[in-house]
Amino acid sequence: DVKVTQSSRYLVKRTGEKVFLECVQDMDHENMFWYRQDPGLGLRLIYFSYDVKMKEKGDIPEGYSVSREKKERFSLILESASTNQTSMYLCASSSPALAPYEQYFGPGTRLTVT
Amino acid sequence: SQKIEQNSEALNIQEGKTATLTCNYTNYSPAYLQWYRQDPGRGPVFLLLIRENEKEKRKERLKVTFDTTLKQSLFHITASQPADSATYLCALDVDNYGQNFVFGPGTRLSVLP
Repeated sequence: DVKVTQSSRYLVKRTGEKVFLECVQDMDHENMFWYRQDPGLGLRLIYFSYDVKMKEKGDIPEGYSVSREKKERFSLILESASTNQTSMYLCASSSPALAPYEQYFGPGTRLTVT
Repeated sequence: SQKIEQNSEALNIQEGKTATLTCNYTNYSPAYLQWYRQDPGRGPVFLLLIRENEKEKRKERLKVTFDTTLKQSLFHITASQPADSATYLCALDVDNYGQNFVFGPGTRLSVLP
């Protein structure tokens, strides 16, 4: 079974702190994604990566950066956390070679910035 | 501007009936459309993919249609059960290669016993 794990289920940080969210997948997938999910706004793509050391901006990259040094690991970094970054963060992975191109999601990290 | 809409934020139906959820989109031309299920506090789980040249796809009690002229997909759950209660998300591929999808806001379905 594909497994996508995220480092924390719940996280509370203070405004201005640097925050690291880690995501690991065990299926050798090339593609990895970071989303945030907010009530009424749905899932919004922050960054994605098609390969090691590659990254592409999604729809809402401002205030975030990412790192992909190894194929199985994709990190989301909040350089200076702000209260409007309080959200549910979801990581996903997929393989470009396999229809139906399903994305496998992790359990999510609920981040609260106070 | 580009937009994805899903019929209502919440839908209540009686057990045993067919649930029909709608996904409408504007200014996209997806080659693929997916449906996911999301339970509270968990990540979405993939259910079905339908291609632009497919009119209909079935999987057990699920049926998906895709009308590229109307720019609409319908998602049906027949003989619905309380265990089907969840939020259902549609997702459109934005690069025509199936690599990058944009998600709709979701419809929260409640099946009442």
